[in-house]
Amino acid sequence: DAGITQSPRHKVTETGTPVTLRCHQTENHRYMYWYRQDPGHGLRLIHYSYGVKDTDKGEVSDGYSVSRSKTEDFLLTLESATSSQTSVYFCAISEGQLMDGYTFGSGTRLTVV
Amino acid sequence: LAKTTQPISMDSYEGQEVNITCSHNNIATNDYITWYQQFPSQGPRFIIQGYKTKVTNEVASLFIPADRKSSTLSLPRVSLSDTAVYYCLVGGSSASKIIFGSGTRLSIRP
Repeated sequence: DAGITQSPRHKVTETGTPVTLRCHQTENHRYMYWYRQDPGHGLRLIHYSYGVKDTDKGEVSDGYSVSRSKTEDFLLTLESATSSQTSVYFCAISEGQLMDGYTFGSGTRLTVV
Repeated sequence: LAKTTQPISMDSYEGQEVNITCSHNNIATNDYITWYQQFPSQGPRFIIQGYKTKVTNEVASLFIPADRKSSTLSLPRVSLSDTAVYYCLVGGSSASKIIFGSGTRLSIRP
């Protein structure tokens, strides 16, 4: 969707290196989310933000950190990438927290070798 | 947490009506039921949401019985472009409590 952009779209990195994924929105939505998607697991919530500098953990937050210094940007950082973090990462935005208003980005495919 | 159970996969043919049922036995009083659709290499997109009885929009219908322990997504007259993964979500006011699950992979044949 035009209102949400993820970068990069693809990345290959080595084990132990830091990686930062970026989610940028132009909708001025309050809530932003990071999910990962793996075969057989659907989408799992990593972290989410309910405002600038306000973030909370999801169900699979270990090994990940996030930051939101501006309304439009939500960064996901893997401090020291591991092969188990090879996945497709999706960012989502919403005005409220009910699940009818989520807009997802196109995803970032991350491979850790 | 309200967990959902859906069939792993379903097959159908163009022009048919497809019904995908989702079980959510421990749904909470303030939980809504939401369905999303995901095409390959894309993020999920919202289809329909309901709380009880029946909801219909231009894309689908959602049937919810009185006990709300299950729900059925109905896609009328499907086409090849409806081939996708469909997720049933149950949740209320907190994103951390919403579980996606593995979804139902729907394949439509000519």
